[in-house]
Amino acid sequence: EVYLVESGGGLVQPGRSLTLSCAASGFTFDHYAIHWVRQAPGMGLEWVSSISWNGGIMDYADSVKGRFTISRDNAKNSLYLQMNSLRPEDTAFYYCAKDIVEYGSGSFCLDYWGQGTLVTVSS
Amino acid sequence: EIVLTQSPGTLSLSPGERATLSCRASQSVSSTYLAWYQQKPGQGPRLLLYGASSRATGIPDRFSGSGSGTDFTLTISRLEPEDFAVYYCQQYGNSRLTFGGGTKVEIK
Repeated sequence: EVYLVESGGGLVQPGRSLTLSCAASGFTFDHYAIHWVRQAPGMGLEWVSSISWNGGIMDYADSVKGRFTISRDNAKNSLYLQMNSLRPEDTAFYYCAKDIVEYGSGSFCLDYWGQGTLVTVSS
Repeated sequence: EIVLTQSPGTLSLSPGERATLSCRASQSVSSTYLAWYQQKPGQGPRLLLYGASSRATGIPDRFSGSGSGTDFTLTISRLEPEDFAVYYCQQYGNSRLTFGGGTKVEIK
């Protein structure tokens, strides 16, 4: 069974940094692109970032470009999101999600999601 | 960026009734690249349909999808108690993934 478990969320002051992690199991991690999607409390879903199966291609939403960095360690079946210069509007649940296409060259749809980790940016 | 608009915002129905949810795109989306998700409180979303009409693994056949171009529909033929949730459409043919704002299906 596929599992994606996020961690690293918490309360952080504006302007500070935080790193999220996602531990994956139940599938061949290094065959699939992985995404971060966030959801402000009570709001809809917003795609944040994605990384290709081999880590060679990364993409970011305009709202986080230049502040967030996505990375992966295929040896550890893990995904990361380094978040710098955090703003109150970054407050959200952050989900990691697996792309449906094996060795995909772009972003497709997301067939497995984690339970999310909450990031709260407030002074 | 392709904007997806879902309607209605809230759908109040009784178990056993038919639910019809709409997703309209700001520009044409290949039906190959339209997905639907279900989300329940405190949980991550679950993929229901991809390619506009193909059911994901384990999704019951009361869920069906249709549409093309800019107009897509998710239909739940007979609502079960576990189907009351929020539903999101998503497009993935454009370089960036975008989601609709969601439709909440609540018990009447």
